[in-house]
Amino acid sequence: DAGVTQSPTHLIKTRGQHVTLRCSPISGHKSVSWYQQVLGQGPQFIFQYYEKEERGRGNFPDRFSARQFPNYSSELNVNALLLGDSALYLCASSLVVTPLADTQYFGPGTRLTVL
Amino acid sequence: AQSVTQLDSHVSVSEGTPVLLRCNYSSSYSPSLFWYVQHPNKGLQLLLKYTSAATLVKGINGFEAEFKKSETSFHLTKPSAHMSDAAEYFCVVSDQNMRFGAGTRLTVKP
Repeated sequence: DAGVTQSPTHLIKTRGQHVTLRCSPISGHKSVSWYQQVLGQGPQFIFQYYEKEERGRGNFPDRFSARQFPNYSSELNVNALLLGDSALYLCASSLVVTPLADTQYFGPGTRLTVL
Repeated sequence: AQSVTQLDSHVSVSEGTPVLLRCNYSSSYSPSLFWYVQHPNKGLQLLLKYTSAATLVKGINGFEAEFKKSETSFHLTKPSAHMSDAAEYFCVVSDQNMRFGAGTRLTVKP
């Protein structure tokens, strides 16, 4: 069975640009979460979506947004990129959402570099 | 509010010796606790999880962790380190949200 897949694997953008990252969950998983991992730190929670609705949001500015599609795949969008947005963006899927105790399975991540 | 503290940013052991990675947590609820491992250029892999069942949790690759409520700890151990265990390890607490510790880098010397 395929695990969580993310695209692209690497991305280089310049300040002020917009970026869209994509994630496909494990088949049968209805919940998708997004995390930002800055070099040398642990992942930080950005969003969780379940059944196409936002179920949780971390402490990130409104420049960050996401959505989930009917097939449970998800997009993370970041507007007006800043240098500090350079990070590894991780997507995780799980069967259920409430509480956030279900095992999350992580994709390999998208490494975003903002110049 | 929840938080998780990994007490060591870097642990170095010799191959064949025991591994201890320390984690303390705080939570307003009865949390679930996880350990994940991240090898270079690879995704996060679940080692084990605690969800209010047995306090001693066995995971993959010979790792185990003990939940101690009185000490608010969830330390990860392994009796004998292998070279392949060298990686970054994250302790995670989950109640309302999933919060990762800063990570402990494990180095295994031959």
